[in-house]
Amino acid sequence: EAGVTQFPSHSVIEKGQTVTLRCDPISGHDNLYWYRRVMGKEIKFLLHFVKESKQDESGMPNNRFLAERTGGTYSTLKVQPAELEDSGVYFCASSQEGARVYFGPGTRLLVL
Amino acid sequence: GQSLEQPSEVTAVEGAIVQINCTYQTSGFYGLSWYQQHDGGAPTFLSYNALDGLEETGRFSSFLSRSDSYGYLLLQELQMKDSASYFCAMSVSGGFKTIFGAGTRLFVKA
Repeated sequence: EAGVTQFPSHSVIEKGQTVTLRCDPISGHDNLYWYRRVMGKEIKFLLHFVKESKQDESGMPNNRFLAERTGGTYSTLKVQPAELEDSGVYFCASSQEGARVYFGPGTRLLVL
Repeated sequence: GQSLEQPSEVTAVEGAIVQINCTYQTSGFYGLSWYQQHDGGAPTFLSYNALDGLEETGRFSSFLSRSDSYGYLLLQELQMKDSASYFCAMSVSGGFKTIFGAGTRLFVKA
């Protein structure tokens, strides 16, 4: 069974630019999550999809962040325009029943 | 509000036993999970407690007391490879939202 995959693994962009992160969850998992970990801090919840619907987006920092999950399969997280404080590791995760969450390898974003 | 508290760092020696505590605050609590994350890697699931008591998986055990809003992860026969960050996480909102603590950095010394 393939795990959660994320692309790209690393991204270095300048302040003001746009970056789009992609996540492919485990096949058949209806629940898809985005989390972010800023260096040394907690893994912070961003949002939760159930299939293509946003179930909870209470963790999204501001309107510069836009997440979509077309057709209930893969998801994208776009940051536009990126700011310095957006740097961190963005993890995507998926689950079926919710209790056990499977994480992807993360995208390391550095905004200069 | 919703929050979890766990120590920021713990140091122990190889072969010893270490306990990482976690207290939480939330409404609609469903269960407590533990995840391990090595530097540069993704968090990986270790255990889940929905009911009070102890769950044992090899060298790792996890405990939950819902009345005390408290749990812990117990690591026995510590090995150098156990050096990592350990996160407690609570399931809320019908069990479909997982909120993580800040993580405990475990250093295992020879």
